[in-house]
Amino acid sequence: SAVISQKPSRDICQRGTSLTIQCQVDSQVTMMFWYRQQPGQSLTLIATANQGSEATYESGFVIDKFPISRPNLTFSTLTVSNMSPEDSSIYLCSVDIGGYEQYFGPGTRLTVT
Amino acid sequence: KQEVTQIPAALSVPEGENLVLNCSFTDSAIYNLQWFRQDPGKGLTSLLLIQSSQREQTSGRLNASLDKSSGRSTLYIAASQPGDSATYLCAVRAGTASKLTFGTGTRLQVTL
Repeated sequence: SAVISQKPSRDICQRGTSLTIQCQVDSQVTMMFWYRQQPGQSLTLIATANQGSEATYESGFVIDKFPISRPNLTFSTLTVSNMSPEDSSIYLCSVDIGGYEQYFGPGTRLTVT
Repeated sequence: KQEVTQIPAALSVPEGENLVLNCSFTDSAIYNLQWFRQDPGKGLTSLLLIQSSQREQTSGRLNASLDKSSGRSTLYIAASQPGDSATYLCAVRAGTASKLTFGTGTRLQVTL
């Protein structure tokens, strides 16, 4: 298993600003994922982040809006840029253990006013 | 494109009742299936994982079954408790390096 922490746990931001969310894992993992969960919806994958390479974005998500860093095997950041109220969501990071099971962080609840 | 559906969308049961949550997926070529629990405003807790070669997995009062050929999984919760109240999500994976495709979720409320 893996223990994952995220910072911040929640934030309220003004439109047009950016927020960087941090994800820390207690063990080295190859693959990390960033998901978005809009109010009342299920989870949607934003991108997959492998250490040492560019993140791979899903359809509908672009690097300019959601830049991701993956500087080492235990840490990643997701930035939500130029925010609008439509970006209000829970953002979750997850890790893949051995290509077998995924574990999730506690999430970051973002409200954009 | 894989699509995952969960029925019912919401369920309310009295404490002590046994219940079944359903998950169906359109592409039977899956690697594994995971059931998660999510409390309001929180992250996901992994409950059970079933590999494509398995028929069921059990953990305490929870039992998950998988019928890959028919594209279905069920999560059985025995003797439900108010603490079981949460949203339950199933997710399928196509391969070892593949993303999870999530279902729509079932919001469960267990009343006293």
